[in-house]
This record gives sequence, structure tokens and C-alpha cells, in this order.
Amino acid sequence: QLQLQESGPGLVKPSETLSLTCTVSGGSISSSSYYWGWIRQPPGKGLEWIGSIYYSGSTYYNPSLKSRVTISVDTSKNQFSLKLSSVTAADTAVYYCARHPERSWFDPWGQGTLVTVSS
Amino acid sequence: EIVLTQSPGTLSLSPGERATLSCRASQSVSSSYLAWYQQKPGQAPRLLIYGASSRATGIPDRFSGSGSGTDFTLTISRLEPEDFAVYYCQQYGSSPQTFGQGTRLEIK
Repeated sequence: QLQLQESGPGLVKPSETLSLTCTVSGGSISSSSYYWGWIRQPPGKGLEWIGSIYYSGSTYYNPSLKSRVTISVDTSKNQFSLKLSSVTAADTAVYYCARHPERSWFDPWGQGTLVTVSS
Repeated sequence: EIVLTQSPGTLSLSPGERATLSCRASQSVSSSYLAWYQQKPGQAPRLLIYGASSRATGIPDRFSGSGSGTDFTLTISRLEPEDFAVYYCQQYGSSPQTFGQGTRLEIK
């Protein structure tokens, strides 16, 4: 059974870079059928897709965040990562990683990790 | 960007009743590329429906999806206690993929 697990600092200072990693277990991140994505959810609010990556390194991002986002993949570790630069309090959210067919629905999801932006 | 508007914001029903949740898109969703998710407090969203009407693996048949174009519906035929949660729709036919703001289904 495929499982995803987010990890990274729970507290980031304003103007710094948020960095998270998603570790995939129970399956290979190099599957030719799937992309790997990041989605976030501010406390008490809705969901926002951040961006996605294919195992080859091909990426596509939400235009609203594109200038600040980098997603990368490490197939040797079965992991993919998110970097979000110049964070502000508005970036405080639960960050989820998830698998999806190309430009498609998300399933399964990781449990999510709360990142708070505060000095 | 396609904006999805879900209604009602909150739906108060009793177990055993029928729930009808709406998701309206600001422009047509190509090929009915619409999904529905259920989210319970402190948990990640769970996929219920994809392709507007196909149930995901393991989803009970009391959940059904319908619609096309700009109007989509999630129906729960007979509410079970575990169905009370927040429901989100997502369109993936146009980039960027977007989510609705959610409908909270609460026990009356």
C-alpha cells in the first residue's frame, strides 16, 4: 500500500525559505504513470495546489506561486521536495504531498505537516 | 483560472437523510474532469469521486457524483454518522487545477 510522509521544520521565519520533503513508501516514485504534488491548506481554509513533479524532473507550478516555488525529486531516496522562498505569515498552512496521474485527481495523500511562519 | 463555488456552505442533516452538495464552475470543466474529496478534522482529504461520477476504490455506493459542464453534484443517499465532514470539489481539466471552498456537512 502506497504511503506518503511529509517532513521538515514546523516553524520558519518570515523572508526565509520553507523546505519540506515527502518520502514515498510501498511503491516507486519512478512509476511512469504518476506525478507527485504538493497542496497546502491554511488553518480553517480551503485547499491550494502548489505544484507537481514527474520522476524525470519535469515540473509544473501554480502561477500564483511559481516565482517562489521549486520542486525537486530524488529517485534514489524515493523522495521529492518543496522549497518556498520569501515566506510570509500568509504561507502558514498544513502542507500535504500526494500522488496523481498527470493533471488529475490526488490519491493518496500524506498526513500533512503544519508549517508556521513566525519570528 | 477556473473558480469553483460550492453550496451550501454548511448543510445540517440527520443520519439516514439524503445529502446533495453542489459545485459550480466559473467556466466549463473539460471532459468532466472533476473530483470530490472528504476531509475530517485533523486528517488529509480522501478521494471519493473522480471523472465527475466514478467512485474511488473502497468508497461506499451511497456516494455518487453527477454533472457536466459547469454544474456538478455529490449525493450521499443515506447519511451514516461517519459521513459528517467537509467536502471539497476539485477541477483538473484546466491548469491550474483548483478546489472549491468546501461544504461542511454537520449533524442536525
